[in-house]
Amino acid sequence: AQTVTQSQPEMSVQEAETVTLSCTYDTSESDYYLFWYKQPPSRQMILVIRQEAYKQQNATENRFSVNFQKAAKSFSLKISDSQLGDAAMYFCAYYSGGSNYKLTFGKGTLLTVNP
Amino acid sequence: NAGVTQTPKFRILKIGQSMTLQCTQDMNHNYMYWYRQDPGMGLKLIYYSVGAGITDKGEVPNGYNVSRSTTEDFPLRLELAAPSQTSVYFCASTGAGGTGELFFGEGSRLTVL
Repeated sequence: AQTVTQSQPEMSVQEAETVTLSCTYDTSESDYYLFWYKQPPSRQMILVIRQEAYKQQNATENRFSVNFQKAAKSFSLKISDSQLGDAAMYFCAYYSGGSNYKLTFGKGTLLTVNP
Repeated sequence: NAGVTQTPKFRILKIGQSMTLQCTQDMNHNYMYWYRQDPGMGLKLIYYSVGAGITDKGEVPNGYNVSRSTTEDFPLRLELAAPSQTSVYFCASTGAGGTGELFFGEGSRLTVL
């Protein structure tokens, strides 16, 4: 079974600084998808960024970018110019591309942004 | 756009009571899921459905039941509630042929006392 590991239960960053959240995963598949979801205090799950494993180029969405290292099975999220609104729980998730579309989630990293 | 709608948002149950968490989506998605979220544990899949009339167990199905009579609705039934079922429950959906991106409801916080 696939597993997703987020080794940092909590992280903090100063406003306007950059922070990187780590995620590793275990799989024997060659084609899959990886996601970062954000969960603010409102509890709503919000997709931050998505990476297809067959794409070598790292995904970027405005201030959010990933460092995808397929051989190392690593998928870190970099948040640049951190804002107070970035404070949230962040979940890394893996999807194998199978027909049932089941996602496997990590345990999450709680990000605090200090003013 | 309504998206995925869950009700109720909050509920307190006594041990042994039963209840149903409702979930409906208006995106014509074939795939629907129920996850539970416990502190420090991420999201665990309870049940999922790949279409009307088809359901299957996830990682943590014990104590729960589901049905999928229509494409839109995917209710989660808790029978004989136990304190271990105190959690936040999320319903989610996605469309066939997609990239696995899930669309989530706002969550339902259930407390069993």
